[in-house]
Amino acid sequence: GAGVSQSPSNKVTEKGKDVELRCDPISGHTALYWYRQRLGQGLEFLIYFQGNSAPDKSGLPSDRFSAERTGESVSTLTIQRTQQEDSAVYLCASSLEQGAGNEKLFFGSGTQLSVL
Amino acid sequence: RKEVEQDPGPFNVPEGATVAFNCTYSNSASQSFFWYRQDCRKEPKLLMSVYSSGNEDGRFTAQLNRASQYISLLIRDSKLSDSATYLCVVKYAGKSTFGDGTTLTVKP
Repeated sequence: GAGVSQSPSNKVTEKGKDVELRCDPISGHTALYWYRQRLGQGLEFLIYFQGNSAPDKSGLPSDRFSAERTGESVSTLTIQRTQQEDSAVYLCASSLEQGAGNEKLFFGSGTQLSVL
Repeated sequence: RKEVEQDPGPFNVPEGATVAFNCTYSNSASQSFFWYRQDCRKEPKLLMSVYSSGNEDGRFTAQLNRASQYISLLIRDSKLSDSATYLCVVKYAGKSTFGDGTTLTVKP
């Protein structure tokens, strides 16, 4: 596709359930990022992939959060045993990464997660 | 201390005004710097990169001071359409860290 695609766009779940969020980056983009944005707040870094590897997982809030990337393409962010404080917009971004001028982040429209 | 800090505002200015936003960062080894714009309920989009020599794009001027670990964005002749949240972004070792943003409202 032409841009970064995220699915679902909205997810309502019950506390304690597991959820899986998907990100399809722009074809050829080697770097992929996940951020979380709570209502009225800034972007909170979660995890970063270079290819299929995650050099920096420092932002994952707890062991309930995990992410993987396969084929240097699609990434999934999984949240186990969801809590109400997990409610937020989860944003995915991708970039060409290497070299000046290729660092621009292209964002998807996000997944709005609501935990009841 | 946060890695990237911005004055949250809000900044409320009349059309035609000049407004400046500041951002400081804590990691002196940071490599790249950017300003992004985020409209309400939308995803962030790149406004401009920031270079030590300073750079200008129309009404927008960005400046970087590595010694003071400080980034600025100047908007001249503000338009109603400039109303948004402006996010300072600092990159190190592949990781892009966002400030919490400064909200600008331009009024007629």
